[in-house]
Formats: sequence, C-alpha cells, structure tokens
Amino acid sequence: NTVMTQSPTSMFISVGDRVTMNCKASQNVGTNVDWYQQKTGQSPKLLIYGASNRYTGVPDRFTGSGSGTDFTLTISNMQAEDLAVYYCLQYNYKYTFGAGTKLELK
Amino acid sequence: QVQLKETGPGLVQPTQTLSITCTVSGFSLTSYYMQWVRQTPGKGLEWMGFIRSGGSTEYNSEFKSRLSISRDTSKNQVFLKMNSLKTEDTGVYYCARERTEGIGRYYFDYWGQGVMVTVSS
Repeated sequence: NTVMTQSPTSMFISVGDRVTMNCKASQNVGTNVDWYQQKTGQSPKLLIYGASNRYTGVPDRFTGSGSGTDFTLTISNMQAEDLAVYYCLQYNYKYTFGAGTKLELK
Repeated sequence: QVQLKETGPGLVQPTQTLSITCTVSGFSLTSYYMQWVRQTPGKGLEWMGFIRSGGSTEYNSEFKSRLSISRDTSKNQVFLKMNSLKTEDTGVYYCARERTEGIGRYYFDYWGQGVMVTVSS
C-alpha cells in the first residue's frame, strides 16, 4: 500500500499569507496525485488533479507541484474562505488519502 | 446539472449490515466510474471501492470480503453494502463520481453530501 504523509498537520495563518503544504508518498506515484479541500460540514472539493492541473473554477492562487514522491500545494495570498482541511490523494495504485493539513487563523 | 445524494439508515447495530444508496442525476452511470469514500474519526478519508462504467468492481483490501458495491442503471442508483459492522465503522460515507481526463488523469469531480452512519447498540 502507498502511504501518503502530509505535513504539517495544521498551520496557523493570516489572510494574505503564502501557504505551502506537503504530501510525501511512500513510493513513486508519478504525477498521479490530486488535492482536495474540505470545509467544515462539507464534502471534499477537487482543487488540483494530476499534481499540477488546476480544476475548472479554482482560483489561480492555488498551485500544485511535484512528481515521484514529493508534492506541494501552495496558496498564494491566502483568503479567509480558504480556511479548510486539505487532502492529497494518490491514484497510482488503488487510492490513498493523506491525513490532511488544517489551516486555521492566527 | 450533476447531483449525487446518499441515503442510509443513520444508526446500525454492531455485527449488522450497512446499506447505503447513492442516487445520481445529470449523467449516466454507464459513462463514469462511481467511487465510495468514507471519513471516520480513526482513519480520516478512506477509499472503499468503486464500480466501473461497465459494472465490474474493485475494493480496498482493508474491507476484505465485508464490502459489496452494485448498481441499478435504470434507477440511476449505486449501492454500498458492508456487513459485520464494528463501532469503528462509524463515520460519514460519500459517493463520488470519478472523471478521466487525457491519459491517466483521474479525479473525483462530484461528491454527494455524505451520510452519517453511527454503529452502536
């Protein structure tokens, strides 16, 4: 099984910050990684697919990068509506989610 | 427009069987894979399995033989059945549509609202 390890577990941020979170795969998954955003009480929403492709309608302040085992989601100019938990998902072999990174206000 | 909605029992007793229905609209089940994902306090988001557009299935080995996914295309419904429930199966169960883009790009583009299931006596 491919384990996806996300870091940090949580981040305290301010509006306007540049936020970077990471996801590390236990084995090479190529670019077969998606990123999802989940706000409290809601279903996950797709942000990034194929490691770096922004999904339709996702603001361009969200950027995904990486390949192989190391992946990054960056939010430039953090907005209040971006407070959520962010999950990576690998689909190179079956599917595995990371444990999430929670963004909270300072 | 595309919509997915899960319906289920809410409360299930330990050792019993969970049955959840995902009713979809706005697309055909014969054109998309349908996924089941759950979110539990103990394990977070966890992929459970899927049913392909052609009707075959694949499951997370963590659920061994407890899990079954099926569908009724005439009713636009996908079904999840899991037996031998334990308290740690308590959580929110989601169905999601999987889309393929290009070669090898997969993602879950639409999710249901989820159904909360509590396993307790």
